[in-house]
Amino acid sequence: AQSVSQHNHHVILSEAASLELGCNYSYGGTVNLFWYVQYPGQHLQLLLKYFSGDPLVKGIKGFEAEFIKSKFSFNLRKPSVQWSDTAEYFCAVNYGGSQGNLIFGKGTKLSVKP
Amino acid sequence: DAMVIQNPRYQVTQFGKPVTLSCSQTLNHNVMYWYQQKSSQAPKLLFHYYDKDFNNEADTPDNFQSRRPNTSFCFLDIRSPGLGDAAMYLCATEGGGYNEQFFGPGTRLTVL
Repeated sequence: AQSVSQHNHHVILSEAASLELGCNYSYGGTVNLFWYVQYPGQHLQLLLKYFSGDPLVKGIKGFEAEFIKSKFSFNLRKPSVQWSDTAEYFCAVNYGGSQGNLIFGKGTKLSVKP
Repeated sequence: DAMVIQNPRYQVTQFGKPVTLSCSQTLNHNVMYWYQQKSSQAPKLLFHYYDKDFNNEADTPDNFQSRRPNTSFCFLDIRSPGLGDAAMYLCATEGGGYNEQFFGPGTRLTVL
């Protein structure tokens, strides 16, 4: 079955620490990959996306993610987090390019201590 | 700005009392989605429309219905809300290729 795994349920970091959130997906076919962020009380916003080309993609607010096809992974990174990055982060994978087939991971809650 | 709008942002209803949530979009996207998101969980797809073609997820309860009268609007009807239906309901659109979805702010439903 198609699935998306986010290994960390809750990550707590101090400001200026580096961040890496893991995302792995099942299935070896064509995928489009997304990271969404949900700030407290707000709606889901797209951080970055990968469709094809350079496997290292840069998103908003200094985030980047690397698609490693051999590992079925799409990990999110940021070199230096800020308190304002406190939010829930969802990895999502569209399988096969079809509508209605966006599978979300369970999310990782990031808490950044000032 | 083109966007996805959901009304109301907060909805309180009574157990068993029908409720309708609305979503509108100015993106002119042909695909619209409804998701249910409970606290600290991933969004769960309820159904989606491709234009007027309705696609129901297999595990979406019959209690949930949807209408899409035109490209811009989509409604979620909960016929007899139960306590377990209290959640955030997210509307999203998709268009322009690559399956990127654009989310509205959500409607938080409380069932008393």
